Amino acid sequence: AQSVTQLDSQVPVFEEAPVELRCNYSSSVSVYLFWYVQYPNQGLQLLLKYLSGSTLVKSINGFEAEFNKSQTSFHLRKPSVHISDTAEYFCAVSANNNDMRFGAGTRLTVKP
Amino acid sequence: EAGVVQSPRYKIIEKKQPVAFWCNPISGHNTLYWYLQNLGQGPELLIRYENEEAVDDSQLPKDRFSAERLKGVDSTLKIQPAELGDSAVYLCASSITGLQQETQYFGPGTRLLVL
Repeated sequence: AQSVTQLDSQVPVFEEAPVELRCNYSSSVSVYLFWYVQYPNQGLQLLLKYLSGSTLVKSINGFEAEFNKSQTSFHLRKPSVHISDTAEYFCAVSANNNDMRFGAGTRLTVKP
Repeated sequence: EAGVVQSPRYKIIEKKQPVAFWCNPISGHNTLYWYLQNLGQGPELLIRYENEEAVDDSQLPKDRFSAERLKGVDSTLKIQPAELGDSAVYLCASSITGLQQETQYFGPGTRLLVL
């Protein structure tokens, strides 16, 4: 079965600074990769996903992630964060069976 | 378009009491998931339905947990009796079943506190 490791439980960063949230996965088969964001007292919202094709995927609010098969990683990046980006971010992996496994999450705190 | 609806949003009960959570998925989504999210952790799948059939319930603690999706639309998750360790957020998600991994859409969750 597949699994996900999010290497940082908390990432504090100042507003307008760049940020990288790290995600590594383990799987014996081809996978699909996802980043979800969870704001306080809300459900998870899909941020971006990699299914196939270009290894660099982007969200509408400036986040991007790159699928790196050789390093089994799918790190999330943003060149300049805003206060409103403060949230919990979950990396998830799925094989072709809807069995999605989530990481433990990274709490991003953007400070003014 | 309405999202995934869950109720109640919050529930406080005493241990050994029963509790039930309700989920209404996005219209047209035939796959429904129940997840458990402990504090500081990611969601963990409890059960997955395709229409009214439970196709994956391997992680559901069947001694106290049960779920149903009788008409293949909304679903109920029940715990009886509840234990202190059941305090968590219970998330429902839905998706369209297809050949490729489909995006799962999550509800806001039910936060359960067992005293």
